Order: sequence, then structure tokens, then C-alpha cells
Amino acid sequence: AQTVTQSQPEMSVQEAETVTLSCTYDTSESDYYLFWYKQPPSRQMILVIRQEAYKQQNATENRFSVNFQKAAKSFSLKISDSQLGDAAMYFCAYSLSRGGSEKLVFGKGTKLTVNP
Amino acid sequence: DGGITQSPKYLFRKEGQNVTLSCEQNLNHDAMYWYRQDPGQGLRLIYYSQIVNDFQKGDIAEGYSVSREKKESFPLTVTSAQKNPTAFYLCASSSPPGQGNSPLHFGNGTRLTVT
Repeated sequence: AQTVTQSQPEMSVQEAETVTLSCTYDTSESDYYLFWYKQPPSRQMILVIRQEAYKQQNATENRFSVNFQKAAKSFSLKISDSQLGDAAMYFCAYSLSRGGSEKLVFGKGTKLTVNP
Repeated sequence: DGGITQSPKYLFRKEGQNVTLSCEQNLNHDAMYWYRQDPGQGLRLIYYSQIVNDFQKGDIAEGYSVSREKKESFPLTVTSAQKNPTAFYLCASSSPPGQGNSPLHFGNGTRLTVT
């Protein structure tokens, strides 16, 4: 079974600094998708970024970028120029490409605190 | 604006009572999902539905039931058989189904407390 592990229950960063959140996953599949979701205090889940496993180029969305290491099964999220609004729970998630979103498996999350 | 509406935001019930959580979407999405979130845990899939009048069990379906009579609606009933019903419940939708790159759109959630 696929599993997603986020080894950092909590992280903190100073405003304007850079922080990296870790995620590893376990799968025997070669074609899949990886996601980072953000859950602010409002508790609504928001998609931050996604990566197709067949693409070698790391995905980027403004201040958010990933370091996707397929062989190591690692998918870390880098947040640059951290802002107070980035404070939230961040969840890493995995999905089989043929399975659709119903096969989405989530990690347990990392709570990010941004210090002014 | 299109979106997913979950109601109510907070729900309180006595042990032994069934309770139904509402989820409505106007995004014209085919697929809908129910997740449960507990403190220190990720999201766990309860049930999902890819088309009207069809649904499948997720990883933790025991003690829950759903229906999908309309494309827009996917209510979740928490039955008295659910041993630990107190949790935060999130509804989501996506379109089209069957493609792994179809991101989920989430509602704002319902916090259920059973005493």
C-alpha cells in the first residue's frame, strides 16, 4: 500500500526567510502525482502545488517550489520569502495517475509557524 | 461563485443518534468525496462517488453511509455504529474523475461533536 510520511510535525520560519518541508512516500508504481495542500486556521484545504512523476522538472508556483527526487521517493516543498499568511498545516499527498483523486493518500501534516 | 458548501459548520449530537452532514457543490463536478480529519492525522477517505447513483467505500467506511441521488449533493450519515464519530469532516469534489491530476476542491468542513 502507498504511504506518505511527513517527518516534521512542526516547523517555524522567520518572515522573509526560506523554509523546506519534507515528504517521503512509498510506492511501487512509476506513474503517479504528488501534491502539497495547505490548511490555514480556517481549515479549508487549498492546493499549493502538484507534480507529475513523469516530469523531471520541478514544479514551481510563485514562492512555492518542490524538490522532486523520484529515485529517493522524496517530495519536499520550499517556501521562499515566507509571509505571515503562509502559517498553516501543510499536507503532502500522493495519487495514482490511473486511479483518480479517490486514490489520494495524505501524510499527517506539518504545522508551519511564521514568526514576524 | 462556484464552490462547495458544507453545513452546518458545527454539529453536536448525543451518542446513539444518527446525524447527516450536508455537502453541496455547484462546480458541475462528477466526483465527490468525504474525508475525516483527526488531530495529528492526515485526511482519511470515508466514501467517494464518481457518478450519480454510484459510490464506493474508502479506507474507513465502517459506521458511515452516503447517497448520491443528485450530481450536486453527497450527504454523509454518521450512524450510531461509528465508534468514534467526533471529528472534523471535509467534503471535496473533482472533475473529471479517473485522472490522477484532477485536484480536489474542498468545502470548509463540519466539526462534529458527539457526547
